[in-house]
Amino acid sequence: AQTVTQSQPEMSVQEAETVTLSCTYDTSESNYYLFWYKQPPSRQMILVIRQEAYKQQNATENRFSVNFQKAAKSFSLKISDSQLGDTAMYFCAFMKLLSNSNSGYALNFGKGTSLLVTP
Amino acid sequence: DTEVTQTPKHLVMGMTNKKSLKCEQHMGHRAMYWYKQKAKKPPELMFVYSYEKLSINESVPSRFSPECPNSSLLNLHLHALQPEDSALYLCASSPRTSGYNEQFFGPGTRLTVL
Repeated sequence: AQTVTQSQPEMSVQEAETVTLSCTYDTSESNYYLFWYKQPPSRQMILVIRQEAYKQQNATENRFSVNFQKAAKSFSLKISDSQLGDTAMYFCAFMKLLSNSNSGYALNFGKGTSLLVTP
Repeated sequence: DTEVTQTPKHLVMGMTNKKSLKCEQHMGHRAMYWYKQKAKKPPELMFVYSYEKLSINESVPSRFSPECPNSSLLNLHLHALQPEDSALYLCASSPRTSGYNEQFFGPGTRLTVL
């Protein structure tokens, strides 16, 4: 079974600073996908960044980047130049093969990290 | 059109009521999902529809009944719910269920069961 662990329930960062959210996962699969989703107080879940396990290069999307360490099963998210609009719950997610489906995949989420960006 | 819409935004219902949640997407996606999210918790998968057929039911009680009338529409019919079913119900869609797939989420329906 795949598990996703986010060890930081809450974090705070000042505007313009950099913050790193941690995520570890456990899987026996060799190829898989990892995601960071953001859920602001308005509750719309938005994809922030994705990483394919077979790619060694870390994914980057503007101010968001990941540090993917496959051997350590670690997938942290770095937010640079933090903005007030980055305040949200951040979920790390693993795309898992559904146990009772031949071709079904779904997201397995960590418990989330609540990030507060302060002025 | 790259969004998933959900109606209603809020729903309050009694335990004897019958209501439905609606989800719609026009991105040509062939997989649609229902998730349940309790406060300060991650979303939990309830159902997966692939090509308008139910492909997974994650041991959800029968008081929740999903329906996929066509490839763009997903309903969740609610009947005889319990107060503990109060939660945010999220709909999502993706191009398909196999392989790499980004899931696009709707804004959710906040359900309160009295």
